Amino acid sequence: ETGVTQSPTHLIKTRGQQVTLRCSSQSGHNTVSWYQQALGQGPQFIFQYYREEENGRGNFPPRFSGLQFPNYSSELNVNALELDDSALYLCASSLWLGPYNEQFFGPGTRLTVL
Amino acid sequence: DAKTTQPNSMESNEEEPVHLPCNHSTISGTDYIHWYRQLPSQGPEYVIHGLTSNVNNRMASLAIAEDRKSSTLILHRATLRDAAVYYCILRGQSNFGNEKLTFGTGTRLTIIP
Repeated sequence: ETGVTQSPTHLIKTRGQQVTLRCSSQSGHNTVSWYQQALGQGPQFIFQYYREEENGRGNFPPRFSGLQFPNYSSELNVNALELDDSALYLCASSLWLGPYNEQFFGPGTRLTVL
Repeated sequence: DAKTTQPNSMESNEEEPVHLPCNHSTISGTDYIHWYRQLPSQGPEYVIHGLTSNVNNRMASLAIAEDRKSSTLILHRATLRDAAVYYCILRGQSNFGNEKLTFGTGTRLTIIP
């Protein structure tokens, strides 16, 4: 059984550009969540998808968008990049059972915006 | 989301037990207490969770106060590989399929060889 994988590992973009980050969930999982982690901070919830529908969103603007595909892989898209978008982006997958199941995180994509 | 409070940092000697505290005085009756840890250059990983009773698994133990306003993650014999940031998170009943985790700044655990 493979774990959660993310690509690319690192990415450098310039302000105003658009970026797509990818996540491959663990087999059998039906939920994927995305988090942004600034340096020295805990991860902040961006949004999540459950069975291909957005099912919750944190305090992030609409230029942060996503998709979940039938094979439960997922994308995070960020438009009009700003310097403050520089961060580690994490995805987490799970099989939703209730407020007690564990989530499995990928290693993250480090995005640098210049 | 109910708030948790953790010390910013702790140190412990290798091969000794470590007790990581978490205060959650506004916890509701249906909130589960979860612990995750984040090793350097990795994503967070699940450690343990509990509701009311103390819990043990292969990684750690979770001791929950009787009034549930605090809990303690116990690493029975710390190794250098346990050096990480440890997050205490509350998860309550919510929308079906809602997996949101609210992370604080956590406790940075340093293990001294």
